[in-house]
Amino acid sequence: QQPVQSPQAVILREGEDAVINCSSSKALYSVHWYRQKHGEAPVFLMILLKGGEQKGHEKISASFNEKKQQSSLYLTASQLSYSGTYFCGTEISYSNSGYALNFGKGTSLLVTP
Amino acid sequence: DVKVTQSSRYLVKRTGEKVFLECVQDMDHENMFWYRQDPGLGLRLIYFSYDVKMKEKGDIPEGYSVSREKKERFSLILESASTNQTSMYLCASSLGGQGYEQYFGPGTRLTVT
Repeated sequence: QQPVQSPQAVILREGEDAVINCSSSKALYSVHWYRQKHGEAPVFLMILLKGGEQKGHEKISASFNEKKQQSSLYLTASQLSYSGTYFCGTEISYSNSGYALNFGKGTSLLVTP
Repeated sequence: DVKVTQSSRYLVKRTGEKVFLECVQDMDHENMFWYRQDPGLGLRLIYFSYDVKMKEKGDIPEGYSVSREKKERFSLILESASTNQTSMYLCASSLGGQGYEQYFGPGTRLTVT
């Protein structure tokens, strides 16, 4: 089951803030966030791990509520370069050795001048 | 920098043809993934591999098979292409285990006529 992202789309003016949410019906080990610009490959932003560890870009902030199985990505003082589609991915185990991501449908973000 | 390359950016095939999509990564990653991306549906996992010759079905494996004979190369095979397989195909790789970011290739836009 894909995690659910909200909102589906958001339009901001440069300098405004936005929050993108990701929720799962399953217990989570980690949540990943990626951004994809039009015509390009998704690019890694951040991983939030169970227990509080985070790995990723310094200018991006996010939270992970393990009990609620939710994560939120915070985009503050948005810049034009933030435009793109944001995907969250929840890590799932397929076997003793195989771990893969289950991605949400994405949130389209447009920052205007 | 990690580099993931895909054999073609654009591909046009006829219904019933056998199609090979190839992916190569240069960072000695254990995991490799094939996703399909369609508007409004996000990234859906087709297959992944966590070691040479090891593979796991993802969410939508029907109509596809994969091959991983060497660690750096992961191939997606459409045995008999159909029009509903027209899509963007993305390959990714990551280190083995949990909690590692995925690196994506540029994608192959496949059109089946």
